[in-house]
Amino acid sequence: DAGVIQSPRHEVTEMGQEVTLRCKPISGHDYLFWYRQTMMRGLELLIYFNNNVPIDDSGMPEDRFSAKMPNASFSTLKIQPSEPRDSAVYFCASSWSGHQPQHFGDGTRLSIL
Amino acid sequence: SQQGEEDPQALSIQEGENATMNCSYKTSINNLQWYRQNSGRGLVHLILIRSNEREKHSGRLRVTLDTSKKSSSLLITASRAADTASYFCATDQAGGTSYGKLTFGQGTILTVHP
Repeated sequence: DAGVIQSPRHEVTEMGQEVTLRCKPISGHDYLFWYRQTMMRGLELLIYFNNNVPIDDSGMPEDRFSAKMPNASFSTLKIQPSEPRDSAVYFCASSWSGHQPQHFGDGTRLSIL
Repeated sequence: SQQGEEDPQALSIQEGENATMNCSYKTSINNLQWYRQNSGRGLVHLILIRSNEREKHSGRLRVTLDTSKKSSSLLITASRAADTASYFCATDQAGGTSYGKLTFGQGTILTVHP
């Protein structure tokens, strides 16, 4: 079975540009999570969805960040405009139930110059 | 502050030795999960222990949970070089509006020398 698929794997862009990260969860999973990982702050939950509906976006750092899930098989995390402090590895994860293990993609390594 | 705090932050052992990592947390939980992360990869789920369980085994992994002390430990027996990775505990907090949400600790970096 295919796991969680994230694209791109690496993204390097200049400050001020719009960045869009993409995620395809595992088929049949009802929950989708977006995390950010940095050395300083560890793994932070940004937002999560249940049945395509955002449940908790309290971890989204600023209005520059937005996330959508237009259907059960696709989600995007957008940063506009991007800043150097947004540089991090962004992970998407999915699970079939709220109390079950999460399955992670291999992440997008984002560098904002 | 983090719900899960791991100890030690880093652990270096020889192949064949056992590795023990500890996790403490602050609030009541539904379950506690352990994950492994290899360099440059996503987290991989290892084992889940429910709040009413005290010990669980999976292959060379043994997890214990003490809800009275709000702590858990992960034991990897007969370690191998391939076990080199970061290990994270994650708590599924009980009650409130946090259904489905995991809070991860900062992780333990395990290095197993051949």
